[in-house]
Order: sequence, then C-alpha cells, then structure tokens
Amino acid sequence: DTAVSQTPKYLVTQMGNDKSIKCEQNLGHDTMYWYKQDSKKFLKIMFSYNNKELIINETVPNRFSPKSPDKAHLNLHINSLELGDSAVYFCASSQETLAETYNEQFFGPGTRLTVL
Amino acid sequence: GQNIDQPTEMTATEGAIVQINCTYQTSGFNGLFWYQQHAGEAPTFLSYNVLDGLEEKGRFSSFLSRSKGYSYLLLKELQMKDSASYLCAAVDSNYQLIWGAGTKLIIKP
Repeated sequence: DTAVSQTPKYLVTQMGNDKSIKCEQNLGHDTMYWYKQDSKKFLKIMFSYNNKELIINETVPNRFSPKSPDKAHLNLHINSLELGDSAVYFCASSQETLAETYNEQFFGPGTRLTVL
Repeated sequence: GQNIDQPTEMTATEGAIVQINCTYQTSGFNGLFWYQQHAGEAPTFLSYNVLDGLEEKGRFSSFLSRSKGYSYLLLKELQMKDSASYLCAAVDSNYQLIWGAGTKLIIKP
C-alpha cells in the first residue's frame, strides 16, 4: 500500500550509459515531480508534470527526460550519464494545484544514483 | 532571483525547545511549507502556512509573516527522533516550490 514508490533504490553505473528510474503513485494525484538532491542535501526541482503540462527546470540538461505512460507513472530517463549526475533522485506527487490553493507533495523513498 | 535562507545546522538538547528560522524572497508568494527529512529517507510534510500567524500541530508549530518574508518552525519537548533535516519551501506565483537547503538539527541527550 505504498503511496509513492520508486525503483531501483540504488543504481550504480558507468559514465556514458543510459538509465531509467521508475516512479508510480497510487494516490490518484494529478501532478508528479522529479527532484535531484545532491551531496549538499539541496533539493532541486527537475520536472513537474500533469496530463496538461510539462514544466521543465531550464537548468536541467536535455539528457534528462521524463516519460509518463499514464497518470500514475512518471519515469525519468537519463542519457549519457556523467559523474555529476550522482545524487539521490526523488519522485513526488500531489493533487493538481488550483488557483489560490496548494497541496502538499508526497515523496517516494528516493533512488541513489552513483556514476563511476 | 528567488532565494530561501535557513541555517545550515543547529544543535539542541533533548526535552528543550528549538526554533528554526527561514527567510524567503520569491516572485509572488502562495504559501510556505516545512518538511522533515531523516537521513537516507524521503522528505515528509510537516506544515503549510499561507496566512500570517502561528499554526500549532502537537509538538510542532509553524509561524509566518508575509510582510517580513519570514517563517519559523518551533519544536517543543525535543526527542532524539527529531534529529533530522528540516526543509523550508516557498510557493511562488507560478505555484512552483522554491526549496531551501535545509537545516540539520542535532539533538543531544
């Protein structure tokens, strides 16, 4: 009955490889997110996505791409991995934001990516 | 630019009270969140303030002053399990969350 789940929990790979991280939420939420948390613990938004709009943080390299097969899933695909991509990646979800309201985000357990 | 400032680290004693401050500068403002994150785990929601004043929830309270761009999280009767990072995040005019780097709280017996 996990609300937001991610796989894998740990991912170790070589520079230059392509990898994907999967995320699923069973909360019926409309919006999903991907965050990167680096070694300094700073949580940085990468993408937010609902069935209407994909918002991309302009600082995210285009090697990163979100893919959403359906409303409950938002996978993160990374091409040509670099050393600096090593971090913990969190998926999150929330109810769609309406004007003048905001809903809390529920986070997945995180995926620790290590690029060698 | 948009910016969230909070102390990097704080230390407090078990049973005591601690206040973690957060100042924010955002393009527009639609509320402020506090999240707790234990080491190696995901952030979990603590509170959301959009109006000025104090919101109390058990041992934790959160305060907001929109005119000052300031919030604090107050933790009472500290327990060892409260050792964690506390993340402040403001919602800007586009309803995007702007996150602080977090305050690592260390609780000593």
